[in-house]
Amino acid sequence: QVQLQQSGPGLVKPSQTLSLTCAISGDSVSSNSAAWNWIRQSPSRGLEWLGRTYYRSKWYSDYAASVKSRITVTPDTSKNHFSLQLNSVTPEDTAVYYCVRGVPNFLTGDPLGKFDSWGQGTLVTVSS
Amino acid sequence: SYVLTQPPSVSVAPGQTARITCGGDNIGSKSVHWYRQKPGQAPVLVVYDDSDRPSGIPERLSGSNSGNTATLTISRVEAGDEADYYCQVWDSSDHVVFGGGTELTVL
Repeated sequence: QVQLQQSGPGLVKPSQTLSLTCAISGDSVSSNSAAWNWIRQSPSRGLEWLGRTYYRSKWYSDYAASVKSRITVTPDTSKNHFSLQLNSVTPEDTAVYYCVRGVPNFLTGDPLGKFDSWGQGTLVTVSS
Repeated sequence: SYVLTQPPSVSVAPGQTARITCGGDNIGSKSVHWYRQKPGQAPVLVVYDDSDRPSGIPERLSGSNSGNTATLTISRVEAGDEADYYCQVWDSSDHVVFGGGTELTVL
């Protein structure tokens, strides 16, 4: 059974960098059949996919257009975890952030697939 | 950008059937996934690829998808089914799209 354990600060100042980490147990960040995602949720924006990293003979990442200029999702194979960095945050980035395992299904033409395991969520508030 | 439309709320009496819809342009051509979220908890996958259930999800929950509407059906509704439900698809322009969510109330 896959478990995802998030860590990171709950308060970030405007213009600074939001950093969160997600530790994986029961799977590998280097899995050839999964992808490792960050999704956030706020009352104003609902559930919003931010980006992912995945390994298919080499490392890939892709990001939502809304945050593409500010986001980095990186794996750490030595610790079996992956991280989110979101730069230049504003109060609009206040949300609950989740790390999530995605399982693509290329048979159905769904390259992102289902999100079948979620971290516990971290409320991040952007405020001075 | 691709938009998924869900009713904000659905109410049903215990033992009855709840149907939660998710509307989108030609959504029948996409794979739809459904999540249940209870207050203070992370979402949980309840239906994937239109109509498949993860292990541990009861057969009372089922999904269908055709034309411009996908539907999550919950039969013999119980008090424990009260939650917010979200649909989700992949779209080539937006990557991942979620519906706005439907609050299911058991009367």
